Amino acid sequence: GENVEQHPSTLSVQEGDSAVIKCTYSDSASNYFPWYKQELGKRPQLIIDIRSNVGEKKDQRIAVTLNKTAKHFSLHITETQPEDSAVYFCAAQTAGGTSYGKLTFGQGTILTVHP
Amino acid sequence: EPEVTQTPSHQVTQMGQEVILRCVPISNHLYFYWYRQILGQKVEFLVSFYNNEISEKSEIFDDQFSVERPDGSNFTLKIRSTKLEDSAMYFCASSEDGYEKLFFGSGTQLSVL
Repeated sequence: GENVEQHPSTLSVQEGDSAVIKCTYSDSASNYFPWYKQELGKRPQLIIDIRSNVGEKKDQRIAVTLNKTAKHFSLHITETQPEDSAVYFCAAQTAGGTSYGKLTFGQGTILTVHP
Repeated sequence: EPEVTQTPSHQVTQMGQEVILRCVPISNHLYFYWYRQILGQKVEFLVSFYNNEISEKSEIFDDQFSVERPDGSNFTLKIRSTKLEDSAMYFCASSEDGYEKLFFGSGTQLSVL
């Protein structure tokens, strides 16, 4: 089955700096890669996603890049703010067959943005 | 914006007791899921449900677990005889097409004593 590895496990940055979180996946059939932000005790919230036919996607201060050949994808947050502090999870989904919406998550990255 | 809602937010139970966790998916969504997250760990897939039957389940989802869509709006997860290791946050999720954009509920924190 799919395996997703996420690095780093913790990331500390100063307000205004950029943050990059990286994930690798194992199943070349995976074709959808969402990123979730989870604040303490709350639900995971989808912040951005990318399909395998796209190499990069941007939404304001966040962007995601995908390298299908290397089987890795990254989240980039620019001009970080304290409210960006949270746990970020990457995930991968293999569509087809009966795997409807089965996401395999990475281990999570605790991002702390210092004012 | 429509949300997935879950009740209760917290559930405390004794080992061996049955619990039912409830979810109301987003109304036009057709695919439903349960995930769980043990404190400090990653979110793990339990089961997916479509067209009134299980599409896929993980190895975690053993005979003690069952899911049901008893009516047109609710989606439930039942744990027949809870164990200490079932203590976790249980998230319900739904998706319109089963391929993208899973939306998660706010979770039920289950504590088994």
